[in-house]
Amino acid sequence: KNEVEQSPQNLTAQEGEFITINCSYSVGISALHWLQQHPGGGIVSLFMLSSGKKKHGRLIATINIQEKHSSLHITASHPRDSAVYICAVSRGGSQGNLIFGKGTKLSVKP
Amino acid sequence: GAGVSQSPSNKVTEKGKDVELRCDPISGHTALYWYRQSLGQGLEFLIYFQGNSAPDKSGLPSDRFSAERTGGSVSTLTIQRTQQEDSAVYLCASSLRGAGGYTFGSGTRLTVV
Repeated sequence: KNEVEQSPQNLTAQEGEFITINCSYSVGISALHWLQQHPGGGIVSLFMLSSGKKKHGRLIATINIQEKHSSLHITASHPRDSAVYICAVSRGGSQGNLIFGKGTKLSVKP
Repeated sequence: GAGVSQSPSNKVTEKGKDVELRCDPISGHTALYWYRQSLGQGLEFLIYFQGNSAPDKSGLPSDRFSAERTGGSVSTLTIQRTQQEDSAVYLCASSLRGAGGYTFGSGTRLTVV
């Protein structure tokens, strides 16, 4: 079993829909990260969370430390949101030693 | 620089040859990370630098892999005697004092033939 599990693996939505991507982890963490990888391969760091909730534009990330679960929400989705969304966790000590989920491929249709 | 710069963007090499991949982080970012993304394998951590020292190199897959960082800036990842399983996209990221908020480079796509 992977230490970081994401669901769903693939997600197709219509423009305007509310989207949720889930991430569960089985190890103790110091922080959880949400990353976005566009078809060209570039990776953008969206959020780093250690508790609670963060919002940036139409993106919202939440984390429940007790349940070892995080969600990434996209409100009013748009075709430009189409990308692979990757959840990653960092364990205490070495911030950069991330354990990555396999990613969720999101396709938003106009 | 304005972003994390990696070179080359693509590299095709013959099995058994050595390769060097370069990462130029954002100016002032003291933390630098190397990751690898293999086809069907997802991303995996290789090594982390804080300044010129590497407090965590636990992700390097074998002793054929090494990395150094000089002047707290540019880093080079070297793969000796490349094997076909080394084919992957090698990604570099940097952050301010290891506090997260990573900025990733565009990666080097390595193909070993």
